[in-house]
Amino acid sequence: DAGVTQSPTHLIKTRGQQVTLRCSPKSGHDTVSWYQQALGQGPQFIFQYYEEEERQRGNFPDRFSGHQFPNYSSELNVNALLLGDSALYLCASSLMARGQGLNEKLFFGSGTQLSVL
Amino acid sequence: GENVEQHPSTLSVQEGDSAVIKCTYSDSASNYFPWYKQELGKGPQLIIDIRSNVGEKKDQRIAVTLNKTAKHFSLHITETQPEDSAVYFCAASRGGSTLGRLYFGRGTQLTVWP
Repeated sequence: DAGVTQSPTHLIKTRGQQVTLRCSPKSGHDTVSWYQQALGQGPQFIFQYYEEEERQRGNFPDRFSGHQFPNYSSELNVNALLLGDSALYLCASSLMARGQGLNEKLFFGSGTQLSVL
Repeated sequence: GENVEQHPSTLSVQEGDSAVIKCTYSDSASNYFPWYKQELGKGPQLIIDIRSNVGEKKDQRIAVTLNKTAKHFSLHITETQPEDSAVYFCAASRGGSTLGRLYFGRGTQLTVWP
């Protein structure tokens, strides 16, 4: 049973460039959430995708956008990169079960380490 | 929005001792509280979670307690081992359709000395 997989594992970009990160959710999951983790900090929620739509969004500028595909995989796009965008980007998946999701859990991938020079 | 505070930021214990990490939250609507362990170069790994209808949950050497009235929850690790060394994060969520939006604490670096 494959867990959450992310690619690439590491990426180096320069200021002003654009980047795309990819995520495949855990088998059986249909919802993908993206997080940014700065060095020494806890992960910060960027947004969540379900049924190919953005469902929730954290306090991140419009430079951060995403997409979810029919197979539930997802992409995170960041435009006009800033030095401060350097961080570990984490993807997490879950199942948007009907009802209150009484037994649902969020599982994380290993992340993509983005360095902006 | 939710604010989760976590203490201590660093914790050093001798192998075999117990370790306790404490978190508080601000949103009374939060009802799901997972704990994650993150090793260097890896993503957070879910180790235990608790929902607001339960006061305590145990899984082998790990236990979590929740006090809804005081809005705090704690992670207890007994008989610590060197492989328990990692950064531990507490988190809170309203669960359900908002499960994917977790609010994390700043983390506790646990070091277990042999």
